Amino acid sequence: GAGVSQSPRYKVAKRGQDVALRCDPISGHVSLFWYQQALGQGPEFLTYFQNEAQLDKSGLPSDRFFAERPEGSVSTLKIQRTQQEDSAVYLCASSLAGGELGTQYFGPGTRLTVL
Amino acid sequence: KNEVEQSPQNLTAQEGEFITINCSYSVGISALHWLQQHPGGGIVSLFMLSSGKKKHGRLIATINIQEKHSSLHITASHPRDSAVYICAVRRGGSQGNLIFGKGTKLSVKP
Repeated sequence: GAGVSQSPRYKVAKRGQDVALRCDPISGHVSLFWYQQALGQGPEFLTYFQNEAQLDKSGLPSDRFFAERPEGSVSTLKIQRTQQEDSAVYLCASSLAGGELGTQYFGPGTRLTVL
Repeated sequence: KNEVEQSPQNLTAQEGEFITINCSYSVGISALHWLQQHPGGGIVSLFMLSSGKKKHGRLIATINIQEKHSSLHITASHPRDSAVYICAVRRGGSQGNLIFGKGTKLSVKP
């Protein structure tokens, strides 16, 4: 069955380039989460959508990071003027229910390397 | 201090051994998740717990809310169990985003 998909799986960017990472959640899932996982670390929360509404963006590390989910399904995480410290795996997860309920289903991640 | 602490960080076991991974947390939670991450990044949710104990095959997860502690047990371990096991909590009253531990890297030798 279709799970959460992310593209691209790998992205190499030169410092200063803009990148866009895509997440296709499981169809019908209300909640969508973005996490950042640095090498050897556990994931850390970036931002959360309930349908098309971005309810929490407190984890975004700087104003170079921007996320959207305009139609309440596919989401894009955009990083402007990438820096080396942005190198990480970016994970997307979705869950059927909003709020406190629901198992989160994770995508395979996008590994971003900034040179 | 991290809000979610796991121990041990690394664990090597022989095939067939009983394995325990521990997780302690310092915040009020509405649920605790155990996740498995294989090399290459894919994360699979193993359990979501808010009380008591859950069992799935050779995996058992327990949680003690009063002590803010959870354990993941693997019985009759197998090399295919080798992975990083991550404990994550959902803060009580939050919209659902998870706070993750740093993970326990398990290697099961044949």
